[in-house]
Amino acid sequence: KAGVTQTPRYLIKTRGQQVTLSCSPISGHRSVSWYQQTPGQGLQFLFEYFSETQRNKGNFPGRFSGRQFSNSRSEMNVSTLELGDSALYLCASRLGGQGQETQYFGPGTRLLVL
Amino acid sequence: AQSVTQPDIHITVSEGASLELRCNYSYGATPYLFWYVQSPGQGLQLLLKYFSGDTLVQGIKGFEAEFKRSQSSFNLRKPSVHWSDAAEYFCAVATNNAGNMLTFGGGTRLMVKP
Repeated sequence: KAGVTQTPRYLIKTRGQQVTLSCSPISGHRSVSWYQQTPGQGLQFLFEYFSETQRNKGNFPGRFSGRQFSNSRSEMNVSTLELGDSALYLCASRLGGQGQETQYFGPGTRLLVL
Repeated sequence: AQSVTQPDIHITVSEGASLELRCNYSYGATPYLFWYVQSPGQGLQLLLKYFSGDTLVQGIKGFEAEFKRSQSSFNLRKPSVHWSDAAEYFCAVATNNAGNMLTFGGGTRLMVKP
């Protein structure tokens, strides 16, 4: 079974632009979560989507948004990019049932904001 | 709110030596605990997890971890380290209050001397 895939793997943008990142979960997984990884703040939870609905949201400004499609693929969007948005963005998928489940991570998208 | 502390930012061990990476969590009830490993430029790979039951859990690549409620710890161990184990290791906790949101420790970077 294929793992979590993320596109693009690398991205360079300039301040003020917007960016869209894509995540395809493991086949059969219905939940997708997004995390931001930076040297200063470490790994931080952005949001989780399940059946096209946002289930949980981390402490990030409204410039960070996401959505999930009926095939469980997810996108996250960052508008009005700031230098501090430079980070590795990781997507994780899980089955989406009740209770705790293991999250499986993709390779990430590395975003550089100039 | 839950939190995770990994006291050691860097650890260097000789190949063939034993390894213990420390992880302490803060949460009132029983947490769900995970160890992930990240190689440079890669996503996170699950090493092992603890949900309930036997407090000593076995993972992939010869790793094991022990959940100690009295010490709020979930330390990762390996009896004999291989050069390929050099990577960054993250401890994470999830709680029922926060759904499947993972809270990560700051990570421990492991270097292996030949």
